Formats: sequence, C-alpha cells, structure tokens
Amino acid sequence: AQRVTQPEKLLSVFKGAPVELKCNYSYSGSPELFWYVQYSRQRLQLLLRHISRESIKGFTADLNKGETSFHLKKPFAQEEDSAMYYCALSLNFGNEKLTFGTGTRLTIIP
Amino acid sequence: GAGVSQSPSNKVTEKGKDVELRCDPISGHTALYWYRQRLGQGLEFLIYFQGNSAPDKSGLPSDRFSAERTGESVSTLTIQRTQQEDSAVYLCASSSLGGPNTQYFGPGTRLTVL
Repeated sequence: AQRVTQPEKLLSVFKGAPVELKCNYSYSGSPELFWYVQYSRQRLQLLLRHISRESIKGFTADLNKGETSFHLKKPFAQEEDSAMYYCALSLNFGNEKLTFGTGTRLTIIP
Repeated sequence: GAGVSQSPSNKVTEKGKDVELRCDPISGHTALYWYRQRLGQGLEFLIYFQGNSAPDKSGLPSDRFSAERTGESVSTLTIQRTQQEDSAVYLCASSSLGGPNTQYFGPGTRLTVL
C-alpha cells in the first residue's frame, strides 16, 4: 500500500532563513503529489501540486522519483508561513482519495 | 461562492450512542470524500462518493461506520455505538469531476466520545 512519510513533526526556522519540509513516499507507480497547508483557525487548503510545477507563496516542490521525495522549499521564510503542512499523494490523476503524511508544524521565529 | 460546510462543528457524545455528521459540498462537485484525523496523526481516508454511489469505501474502519449521499449533494456519515477510539476530527472534502484532483475541505466536525 502507498505511504507518505514526513519525518519532522516540528520545524522552527528564523525569518528570512531557507525552509525545507521533507516528504518521502512509497508507491511503485507514478503518483500525483500535493502539499496541503492549514493556517491557524483556517481549514486545510491546497498549497501546490507537482504536475503544476508552479510556485505558490514562494514555495516550490520538485518530485524526485529516484529518491521518492517531494520536499517543499522556500528560500526566505516569512512569519505568515507558520502553519501545519501536509504532504499527500493520490494514485491517479483524477478523482481519487488522498493518502496523507502526519504533517509538519512549521514555526517561523521573528 | 460558499465552500464545503460541515455540521455540527463539535459533538460530544457518550460511548454507545449513535452520531450523525453532515457535509454540504461545493455546489456542482460530484466527488465527495470523508477523512478522519485522530490527535497527532495525519488524515485517514474513510469513503469516497462519485455522485450518490460509493465506489471506494475501503477506509471505513468497521461496520459501525456508514455513509450515504443524496441528490449528488449532502452526505451523512453515521457512527453507531460510538467508542472512545472514534474520537477524532472528521473532515469532508469535495472536488469536481474530471478536473484536477483538487479537494476542497470543510472545517471538520470534532467528535469526542466520553
């Protein structure tokens, strides 16, 4: 069965420093990968997806099939980036359930 | 437009009672999902609806859990004879058919079983 691993439960970074949230997955096929974010007192929302190859709020994520990773990166952290981040995958590019990691709580230190 | 809504936002019940959780998806979204999030854990998939049919109910943890959807709209998740391990936040999400798999989440229902 597919699995998503986020090794860091908590991550603290100083404002202006680079951020990297790690995500590894196990699946023998070609999944679709996502990052979802939940800001304080808000609902879970999509941050970005690997097929879009876009940068959202300064964040990027590259799918590395060799390392089965989809790490989330941002060169300069901002205070408003403090949130809970979840990596997720779906097996098909369509309507399909998501398999989530356990999440990383990112805190940006002013 | 309105996003996904869920009710109630909080539910406290006694062990052994039945509970019903409701989800109103975004209008026109034919796909609807239920997930569960226990404290300190990631979201676990429960069931997926396409229209009023449930082609994937593989995540329902036991026969105490059931769900239905009517009118390709509202969905109800029912938990019978609740147990303390059922305590969790239950999240509903919806997405449009055929488009990218962008799931829009509701605010969740926090269920506490005493």
